[in-house]
Amino acid sequence: AQSVTQLGSHVSVSEGALVLLRCNYSSSVPPYLFWYVQYPNQGLQLLLKYTSAATLVKGINDFEAEFKKSETSFHLTKPSAHMSDAAEYFCAVSGQGAQKLVFGQGTRLTINP
Amino acid sequence: GAVVSQHPSRVICKSGTSVKIECRSLDFQATTMFWYRQFPKQSLMLMATSNEGSKATYEQGVEKDKFLINHASLTLSTLTVTSAHPEDSSFYICSAPEGGAWFFGPGTRLTVL
Repeated sequence: AQSVTQLGSHVSVSEGALVLLRCNYSSSVPPYLFWYVQYPNQGLQLLLKYTSAATLVKGINDFEAEFKKSETSFHLTKPSAHMSDAAEYFCAVSGQGAQKLVFGQGTRLTINP
Repeated sequence: GAVVSQHPSRVICKSGTSVKIECRSLDFQATTMFWYRQFPKQSLMLMATSNEGSKATYEQGVEKDKFLINHASLTLSTLTVTSAHPEDSSFYICSAPEGGAWFFGPGTRLTVL
């Protein structure tokens, strides 16, 4: 069984500040981990993924995440927030192969000017 | 990345009618597709796994007779909401795996009056 917990349903940062969105996972098998972003009334866009290669994963728009097995975490960071980063972010976990993706509750990121 | 499309993007129907939503993988073949449902300000809930050439697998609590899934080809899966009622109003999103990641359609907003 797999599950994801995103700490903080709402995160607010100032423009230019560090973005940190937290994700902890539980998995009985080696996990694949993902971060997706969703803008209002749109589907999900893949930001980055971890599939058992490098533990520090770089994604689009300067986002990155680090897989820490000892902490069962996969937190998402961005050094400097832009107004366009305001959206809903979802962390997700899956097993290897075309297995179903299990999502966290989501974190709404607000950027203050 | 791979592209997944959905049609229609928005549908409004009367209670008791049936609505069909199409999900297509545009530049890859998908033997498996997934259907999700998302309520406002909530995460995505997996409804069912669509398998090309065989029956869909439904998650616990999802009525298979109400949400009919047909995966007729390697690029098309359809979700039919039969005898829709207002409580079926939601955002429906499909996804398909490709290259170790899951790609999502833009979603279909269903409103049942």
